Amino acid sequence: RKEVEQDPGPFNVPEGATVAFNCTYSNSASQSFFWYRQDCRKEPKLLMSVYSSGNEDGRFTAQLNRASQYISLLIRDSKLSDSATYLCVVGHNDMRFGAGTRLTVKP
Amino acid sequence: ETGVTQSPTHLIKTRGQQVTLRCSSQSGHNTVSWYQQALGQGPQFIFQYYREEENGRGNFPPRFSGLQFPNYSSELNVNALELDDSALYLCARNPGRGGEETQYFGPGTRLLVL
Repeated sequence: RKEVEQDPGPFNVPEGATVAFNCTYSNSASQSFFWYRQDCRKEPKLLMSVYSSGNEDGRFTAQLNRASQYISLLIRDSKLSDSATYLCVVGHNDMRFGAGTRLTVKP
Repeated sequence: ETGVTQSPTHLIKTRGQQVTLRCSSQSGHNTVSWYQQALGQGPQFIFQYYREEENGRGNFPPRFSGLQFPNYSSELNVNALELDDSALYLCARNPGRGGEETQYFGPGTRLLVL
């Protein structure tokens, strides 16, 4: 079993749609969780950290369920500029990445 | 933006050769990590250096080695290159041990092994 597993995608949605990504992790001792965004042929960039109480940053909402070892990312009112690959990440010093979920937002 | 630079940006090598990739940071960060990202995959942790010593290693063979220098720049060396080593190699700076922040990546070096 992979340490971090994500929906394989791809997700193709119209502008304005709401889209949700899911992720599960295998190490129950993990303490740090993040979502990164990666544009084509670019480096990953931090989108947001994920906290136990859930957190929101504008149109983006992240949730963590430690009991189920499950992380989610919700994007509301999708924009064309949201098109990218979204990487679920677990850990701090030796971060473990999921394979990523590709999102394409279409006009 | 992240203050992390990597060189070269692209590189082509042949199987069996050796390669050295470099990473530097505008400001001193005493922890640096290296990742390998194959096409269509997420980055895989190779190793981390803290104050010039290896401080954790992923599931990579010994032919992947590294160095960190007093000025906090870092090198990744790969010996006896294999075709499967073709990937994007990413260097990331950490705020340091115990920090709650995450890592910030350089633009990467794209390596092609023929």
